[in-house]
Amino acid sequence: GAGVSQSPRYKVAKRGQDVALRCDPISGHVSLFWYQQALGQGPEFLTYFQNEAQLDKSGLPSDRFFAERPEGSVSTLKIQRTQQEDSAVYLCASSLRRDSLNNEQFFGPGTRLTVL
Amino acid sequence: LAKTTQPISMDSYEGQEVNITCSHNNIATNDYITWYQQFPSQGPRFIIQGYKTKVTNEVASLFIPADRKSSTLSLPRVSLSDTAVYYCLVGSTYQKVTFGIGTKLQVIP
Repeated sequence: GAGVSQSPRYKVAKRGQDVALRCDPISGHVSLFWYQQALGQGPEFLTYFQNEAQLDKSGLPSDRFFAERPEGSVSTLKIQRTQQEDSAVYLCASSLRRDSLNNEQFFGPGTRLTVL
Repeated sequence: LAKTTQPISMDSYEGQEVNITCSHNNIATNDYITWYQQFPSQGPRFIIQGYKTKVTNEVASLFIPADRKSSTLSLPRVSLSDTAVYYCLVGSTYQKVTFGIGTKLQVIP
């Protein structure tokens, strides 16, 4: 594809529901990142994959958040038992090589999650 | 981790050159300086990156003094479409940098 795609673009969930957010990175990109962006704030790092290996999940806010990238391409961020404080835009980014600030990140448009 | 400080907001008229300065006093030897731009309802987009001295591309210039404790993003002749949030990142990996709240640039007609 031409860029990173994410689906759905918008998701409304009732408190307590589980949600799954999908990211399709640029084909061949080794690194994949998930970020959470609250209103008026910059993106905050959640987790990092190098191919299928989740090398860093230090930014996941609780054990209700889970991410996977089983075949080293598409990734899914799952949030269980959603809470109102989970409302945010979830951004996915990929880069060609392993994580380094020397590598440009390509971001998707994000999924806006609203928990009622 | 290198902490960055940049203005929260700036206004500029169309056609002017805009300079956004980012302070990073505790930058480490292997840290890069990278700027991203973000429009509403979009993900951030890479603008420019540098390690030292001056870097220029078709969009912007990045000036880095010898001590590397600050950097300046220069946008020549801004237009309304340059209204966005600009983030200064300093570090060696994306796992360890923070975007912060960025600088909200408003271009005025």
